[in-house]
Amino acid sequence: NAGVTQTPKFRVLKTGQSMTLLCAQDMNHEYMYWYRQDPGMGLRLIHYSVGEGTTAKGEVPDGYNVSRLKKQNFLLGLESAAPSQTSVYFCASSYWGRVRSYEQYFGPGTRLTVT
Amino acid sequence: GQQVMQIPQYQHVQEGEDFTTYCNSSTTLSNIQWYKQRPGGHPVFLIQLVKSGEVKKQKRLTFQFGEAKKNSSLHITATQTTDVGTYFCAAYNTDKLIFGTGTRLQVFP
Repeated sequence: NAGVTQTPKFRVLKTGQSMTLLCAQDMNHEYMYWYRQDPGMGLRLIHYSVGEGTTAKGEVPDGYNVSRLKKQNFLLGLESAAPSQTSVYFCASSYWGRVRSYEQYFGPGTRLTVT
Repeated sequence: GQQVMQIPQYQHVQEGEDFTTYCNSSTTLSNIQWYKQRPGGHPVFLIQLVKSGEVKKQKRLTFQFGEAKKNSSLHITATQTTDVGTYFCAAYNTDKLIFGTGTRLQVFP
């Protein structure tokens, strides 16, 4: 199992450019998440999905869009990149349980710089 | 909304010394998870605590969940250079995992 993979690993964008980050998981997890992590800070939830075809806003959704057309993939889009979106982006996935919570499995991250 | 605070923000220790990080919430938690993130790496799940007063051990790591389920701690005995990294606590709020601010541990040989 590859677990959670993210592409690309690094990217440099100019202000106003657009891009899509791809997250893929092969663990048949229902839930998928996108986080951003700024230097010296914790993880902030951007958007998440509780199943194929569903998405929901997290703590910092502005400037981002997401889609989950297939259960194993979760895409994060930046329509018009801004320097404030320079960050490391992590994707994560987990099982869903009615009676218990499950741990999240994280991808290796995408380091994005917007100039 | 639910917030999870961690202290200290940073901790520098000599190899062999003990280390403790504390996690506090203003609301009662159903459970709490702990993650470790090595420098340049991604968060990796360590453990989940569910019961009031629960204590779990993983080799030199001891995890506790408070009696009121509003706080938790991670204690590392006799730190090693391999313990370097940032330790996060996290708690679920419905479908979302809320991460604490993290404690960055530096170990000097």
